[in-house]
Amino acid sequence: EADIYQTPRYLVIGTGKKITLECSQTMGHDKMYWYQQDPGMELHLIHYSYGVNSTEKGDLSSESTVSRIRTEHFPLTLESARPSHTSQYLCASSESRGAPNEKLFFGSGTQLSVL
Amino acid sequence: AQKITQTQPGMFVQEKEAVTLDCTYDTSDPSYGLFWYKQPSSGEMIFLIYQGSYDQQNATEGRYSLNFQKARKSANLVISASQLGDSAMYFCAMRDFEGSEGGATNKLIFGTGTLLAVQP
Repeated sequence: EADIYQTPRYLVIGTGKKITLECSQTMGHDKMYWYQQDPGMELHLIHYSYGVNSTEKGDLSSESTVSRIRTEHFPLTLESARPSHTSQYLCASSESRGAPNEKLFFGSGTQLSVL
Repeated sequence: AQKITQTQPGMFVQEKEAVTLDCTYDTSDPSYGLFWYKQPSSGEMIFLIYQGSYDQQNATEGRYSLNFQKARKSANLVISASQLGDSAMYFCAMRDFEGSEGGATNKLIFGTGTLLAVQP
């Protein structure tokens, strides 16, 4: 079973606030990811990391930023939340073995609503 | 560009019957991987099954099987003996094998999903 945790599960916040979505995994995985998912839509990769001090932008442009100071922790920050940021944010991780069938383990997600 | 297409926004199936969820993909890379994930209403994504582009046989995992037709670029998920707990969104995904910094990024490209409702 996956050991990847996201907090908070739900967040309702006002426009202009700074927020940080937490993601932690206890599996020692090198690779971590953030996906954004609108209701009834596919997941879009917004950030990923190969390891400590490594972060890359994903396929979907996002105003959020990420950091990877520790292997197990990959927080996502929005400096000034806007209603357009309302979405579900899913964190994932995977081992860095490069195996073809290497799968992603996902957290339960954070549903963000910006009023 | 790589793309995943799921043409069924929603499906109904009677409990204990089998159901097929469609997935087609587009890639020019000869080496790729295909995944199916389940997303219940609780929101987490649960890995179901994997098919590699060079695998000779269709993948199976318990009640899940993947009908892989390489020439047609399709990777349909078959769920046998549906259960009420199978009601969820199902996403087909393809692994991007773009090499970077010593290995594949393992980025997954997702389809739009199919909402499956199992009726008693």
